[in-house]
Amino acid sequence: GENVEQHPSTLSVQEGDSAVIKCTYSDSASNYFPWYKQELGKRPQLIIDIRSNVGEKKDQRIAVTLNKTAKHFSLHITETQPEDSAVYFCAASPYGTDKLIFGTGTRLQVFP
Amino acid sequence: DAGITQSPRYKITETGRQVTLMCHQTWSHSYMFWYRQDLGHGLRLIYYSAAADITDKGEVPDGYVVSRSKTENFPLTLESATRSQTSVYFCASMAGTGELFFGEGSRLTVL
Repeated sequence: GENVEQHPSTLSVQEGDSAVIKCTYSDSASNYFPWYKQELGKRPQLIIDIRSNVGEKKDQRIAVTLNKTAKHFSLHITETQPEDSAVYFCAASPYGTDKLIFGTGTRLQVFP
Repeated sequence: DAGITQSPRYKITETGRQVTLMCHQTWSHSYMFWYRQDLGHGLRLIYYSAAADITDKGEVPDGYVVSRSKTENFPLTLESATRSQTSVYFCASMAGTGELFFGEGSRLTVL
């Protein structure tokens, strides 16, 4: 079955710097890759996603890139702000299924 | 109110007891999911359901039972709770876009 690995597990950056979180997946047929943000004590919420027919997608300060050959995808946050502090999860959806397999999460701390 | 709700939000039980976590959604989404969240493990899929009366195992199904007699409800039962099942449990439903909408979570402690 699909296996998703996520790195780093924790990431600390200064406000205004960029943050990058990387994930690798094992099933080459996976075709949907979302990113979820979970603030402390809250539920995870979708922030951006990408499908296998696209290499990059941007939404204001966040972007996701996908390298199908290497089977990895990354979340990029530019001009980080304290409110970006949260746990971020990547996920992959194996082809032919509607389930999501999540990575182990990255705790991002943005210091003012 | 529209949305997805879980109950109870907090539960303390003892080893060997049966516990049922409830999940209700008002969007009529076909797909529903149960995940558990543990430090160092992220969100792990327990069971999911494609429609009423259709369920399937996820990554960590052992010790859990689900049912889906109605589209809007997807209860998760721990038939004989163990300490290793102490966790935060999230129910979710999936929109047609593939986006998961999570409930607020149920924090379960097994003593």
